[in-house]
Amino acid sequence: AQTVTQSQPEMSVQEAETVTLSCTYDTSESDYYLFWYKQPPSRQMILVIRQEAYKQQNATENRFSVNFQKAAKSFSLKISDSQLGDAAMYFCAYNNNDMRFGAGTRLTVKP
Amino acid sequence: GAVVSQHPSWVICKSGTSVKIECRSLDFQATTMFWYRQFPKQSLMLMATSNEGSKATYEQGVEKDKFLINHASLTLSTLTVTSAHPEDSSFYICSAPDARTGGNYGYTFGSGTRLTVV
Repeated sequence: AQTVTQSQPEMSVQEAETVTLSCTYDTSESDYYLFWYKQPPSRQMILVIRQEAYKQQNATENRFSVNFQKAAKSFSLKISDSQLGDAAMYFCAYNNNDMRFGAGTRLTVKP
Repeated sequence: GAVVSQHPSWVICKSGTSVKIECRSLDFQATTMFWYRQFPKQSLMLMATSNEGSKATYEQGVEKDKFLINHASLTLSTLTVTSAHPEDSSFYICSAPDARTGGNYGYTFGSGTRLTVV
């Protein structure tokens, strides 16, 4: 079974600074998809960024980028120029027929 | 974009009663719907996968007789918590991959249902 591990229960960043959230996963598959979701206090899940395992190039979405290391099974999220609105729970997810989530990282942004 | 409408957003019920939660895909066909449960400050745990026209697949440890799932059409999946008890109190979220793209572009999530059993 696939597992997703987020080792940072909480992270804090100063507004306008950069923060990196860690995620590792375990799988025997070669084709799969990885995601980062944001869950604000409203609890609505919001897709932040996605990565196809067969692509070597790291995905980027504006201030959000990932560092995907397939051999190491690592998938970290970098948030640049952090904003107050980035404060939320962040979940790393693995998808291969169904989506499994890590335990989450609560990000606090300090003004 | 794809939208999944989930109702109710919150419900309080008495112990021993049943509660039905509905999820509708509004602008796409959802042949598959996933149901998750989220305890406070915890992750989303996959409970079951519902497939239109066939029986749901439950994760290990999930009581299929307590959590009845029906996927009667390409746009509607329901989760019924039967004979609810206080320990069933939780946040339930449905999600669906857009049938046009599969789950490769992520899933669309409902807004969740907060169930409180008293």
